[in-house]
Amino acid sequence: NAGVTQTPKFRILKIGQSMTLQCAQDMNHNYMYWYRQDPGMGLKLIYYSVGAGITDKGEVPNGYNVSRSTTEDFPLRLELAAPSQTSVYFCASRAGDSGNTIYFGEGSWLTVV
Amino acid sequence: AQSVTQPDIHITVSEGASLELRCNYSYGATPYLFWYVQSPGQGLQLLLKYFSGDTLVQGIKGFEAEFKRSQSSFNLRKPSVHWSDAAEYFCAVGDAGGGNKLTFGTGTQLKVEL
Repeated sequence: NAGVTQTPKFRILKIGQSMTLQCAQDMNHNYMYWYRQDPGMGLKLIYYSVGAGITDKGEVPNGYNVSRSTTEDFPLRLELAAPSQTSVYFCASRAGDSGNTIYFGEGSWLTVV
Repeated sequence: AQSVTQPDIHITVSEGASLELRCNYSYGATPYLFWYVQSPGQGLQLLLKYFSGDTLVQGIKGFEAEFKRSQSSFNLRKPSVHWSDAAEYFCAVGDAGGGNKLTFGTGTQLKVEL
């Protein structure tokens, strides 16, 4: 009963480095999301996908890229990491109906130094 | 654009006391409303959700919330708080289209005194 799985859980990056946060779900959900959480700011949507091959920007997409080649996977790529990207990142997914619950992964803690 | 306001950043209650966490939303149509709880170092767990119908919604762990359209509110309540309820609570509003995205409030940190 894996649900939404994120890797890595913790990572330290140097300024200018690149990395990919992995997200996989085993619930056959169409919708997938990436959020970032900063202290006192709640969660902000970075990118989302309504199905394989379809992605769209959320509220704070700058500095990130995503792809959705399969239903299961939704990796988030950070290019040229900056200290402002230090945050906790959550991947989430839901089934197709509007009212269905969004399931969250356990988060990835990223520090850029 | 939709938005959510949680006016209380921190709340402290005594164990056994009642709890009410406030949430106000802005949305053009009938909203989908959610309450999530986050324990330290963990992801978010859904407590309850409102889509339509009965405006008093029951959730897990003894929580309930009432949707009041006239006040644009969706306050979370619990009659008797347990020490294990200490966590951060997020209210969220979802749009019915465009990817069913959730917009979150900034959260309320609940501390429970023994």
